[in-house]
Amino acid sequence: EIVMTQSPATLSVSPGERASLSCRASQSLSSNLAWYQHKSGQAPRLLIHGASTRATGIPVRFSGSGFGTEFTLNISSLQSEDFALYFCQQSLQWPLTFGGGTKVEIK
Amino acid sequence: QVQLVQSGAEVKKPGASVKVSCKASGFTFTSYSIYWVRQAPGQGLEWMGWISPYTGNTNYAEILHGRLTMITDTSTSTAYMELRSLRSDDTAVYYCARGATTAAGPNWFDPWGQGTLVTVSS
Repeated sequence: EIVMTQSPATLSVSPGERASLSCRASQSLSSNLAWYQHKSGQAPRLLIHGASTRATGIPVRFSGSGFGTEFTLNISSLQSEDFALYFCQQSLQWPLTFGGGTKVEIK
Repeated sequence: QVQLVQSGAEVKKPGASVKVSCKASGFTFTSYSIYWVRQAPGQGLEWMGWISPYTGNTNYAEILHGRLTMITDTSTSTAYMELRSLRSDDTAVYYCARGATTAAGPNWFDPWGQGTLVTVSS
């Protein structure tokens, strides 16, 4: 099983600042990595797939990068609606696995 | 629009079974796989399994083998997840999600259902 590790667990950021979230895989994923945003009581929303491709309708302030085992989600200028939980998921092989998540909170 | 709408919250006693539905709309149901994921309180996301509505093929997480069944009803574009012999640690929000591409097998998810809270308590 591929273990996904996200850091930090919590990120305190002021509105308008940049946030950088990390996701590490226990083995190479190539580019088979997705990022999601999850707000309490709502369905998770796909942000990024293929490590760096924005999903339809996702603002350009969200960007993904990385390859292999190290991946990053950047949010260039945090808006009020961006404060949420973010998690990564590997789509390379069964069983599909997720990172533990990074909570982005208002500083 | 493409969406998945799940059935409502359930409260079950230990040892009982629960069946959660996931009704799809806005896309050709048989062209995309359906995945089930759960999140226990304070825990991360756990992938439960996958089903192809086209073939009926499934793949379940090893830890749930023997207790989990996934089926689809193509006439109503609805997927179902049944978990048997419930325990307190099955208390979680259960999500269905559509594979983001038409490829069968490992995939990323888009969209997700709204989630169904299943509480297992005596």
